[in-house]
Amino acid sequence: GENVEQHPSTLSVQEGDSAVIKCTYSDSASNYFPWYKQELGKGPQLIIDIRSNVGEKKDQRIAVTLNKTAKHFSLHITETQPEDSAVYFCAAAIPEKNSGYSTLTFGKGTMLLVSP
Amino acid sequence: NAGVTQTPKFQVLKTGQSMTLQCAQDMNHEYMSWYRQDPGMGLRLIHYSVGAGITDQGEVPNGYNVSRSTTEDFPLRLLSAAPSQTSVYFCASSYSLPGQLDQPQHFGDGTRLSIL
Repeated sequence: GENVEQHPSTLSVQEGDSAVIKCTYSDSASNYFPWYKQELGKGPQLIIDIRSNVGEKKDQRIAVTLNKTAKHFSLHITETQPEDSAVYFCAAAIPEKNSGYSTLTFGKGTMLLVSP
Repeated sequence: NAGVTQTPKFQVLKTGQSMTLQCAQDMNHEYMSWYRQDPGMGLRLIHYSVGAGITDQGEVPNGYNVSRSTTEDFPLRLLSAAPSQTSVYFCASSYSLPGQLDQPQHFGDGTRLSIL
């Protein structure tokens, strides 16, 4: 099956700095790459996603880049704020071989701490 | 609009007991799924459903049963609880399969389950 590796596992930055989280995936059939933010005691929330036919996508302070050849994608947060502190998960969607239905495989998460 | 509602929020069981984790969504979503989240492991897919009457196994299905008799509800059953099933369980729903259309997965706030 698909394998998604995420680095780093923890990331500490000063307010106003940029933060970058990187993920790699193993199966070239993966075609959709969402990023989720999880705050303490809550479920994950989608913050941005990208499809395999797009190289970069931006939404205000958040951007995601995808390199299909190298099979890696990254989350970039600029001008970080304390409220950006949370756990971030990357994921990759791949059609299941038997059913054809797409499922998500998640990375293990990155705890981002933004200090004032 | 409640979104995805999971009950209970917390539960303690003894080894060998059975229980059902409830998940309900009011968004008329066809796709629903169950994940477990363990420290340092990210989210792992247990079972998913692409519509009423259709379910399939994910990455870690052993020890769990699901059924989907209505669009709104997708309960997860632990048949005989084991300490290894101590985890936080998340239910998610979406209008379409991951990556199809621009429809995100919506997560509930989780059920924290401890098996003694």
